[in-house]
Amino acid sequence: GAVVSQHPSRVICKSGTSVKIECRSLDFQATTMFWYRQFPKQSLMLMATSNEGSKATYEQGVEKDKFLINHASLTLSTLTVTSAHPEDSSFYICSARDLGRSSYEQYFGPGTRLTVT
Amino acid sequence: QKEVEQDPGPLSVPEGAIVSLNCTYSNSAFQYFMWYRQYSRKGPELLMYTYSSGNKEDGRFTAQVDKSSKYISLFIRDSQPSDSATYLCALNSGAGSYQLTFGKGTKLSVIP
Repeated sequence: GAVVSQHPSRVICKSGTSVKIECRSLDFQATTMFWYRQFPKQSLMLMATSNEGSKATYEQGVEKDKFLINHASLTLSTLTVTSAHPEDSSFYICSARDLGRSSYEQYFGPGTRLTVT
Repeated sequence: QKEVEQDPGPLSVPEGAIVSLNCTYSNSAFQYFMWYRQYSRKGPELLMYTYSSGNKEDGRFTAQVDKSSKYISLFIRDSQPSDSATYLCALNSGAGSYQLTFGKGTKLSVIP
């Protein structure tokens, strides 16, 4: 149980284009999902908290107009990197919190490696 | 002082050794403690979740929490090459905030 999927697992795009990453909780419902960014050999950096049916909360320094987050259902959140540039190349990971649990653990997706050329 | 301190390693041990991974924290508000394992180029996988001082065991893994010392540990018994990964501690203060505060992660290599 508690499986989170991400799609695509890897994407290469040209500078200036937009890329959408999907995060799905497969066997549980999640009112809250999180988006992280991870650079090589570094820990996870929280970008935003995604709440179903409401606007995402972005961490300081994260441009909300560049990283668009939509959480339209209890099992799906999407992150769109708009007008991507090479500096946006990174490993993006989502996580979800199980609505049916009162505990605080998060379940992570396998990650999406974005390369902007 | 950072909220959560974790030695990044790398840590190399021979197969079969007992591994001890540790985190210290400064904020006594943290009440929930997790350990995640992350293989290269993969998302973190939850290993252990605890919320009280003491030990919690799951197979070869034991999580230990000492709230008075603000110190948490993960022990791996009979370590295997497949345990080679980065281990992250993650803490939460509860009170309705679901965000996790992560350590930097310790990279572990178990040598056959």
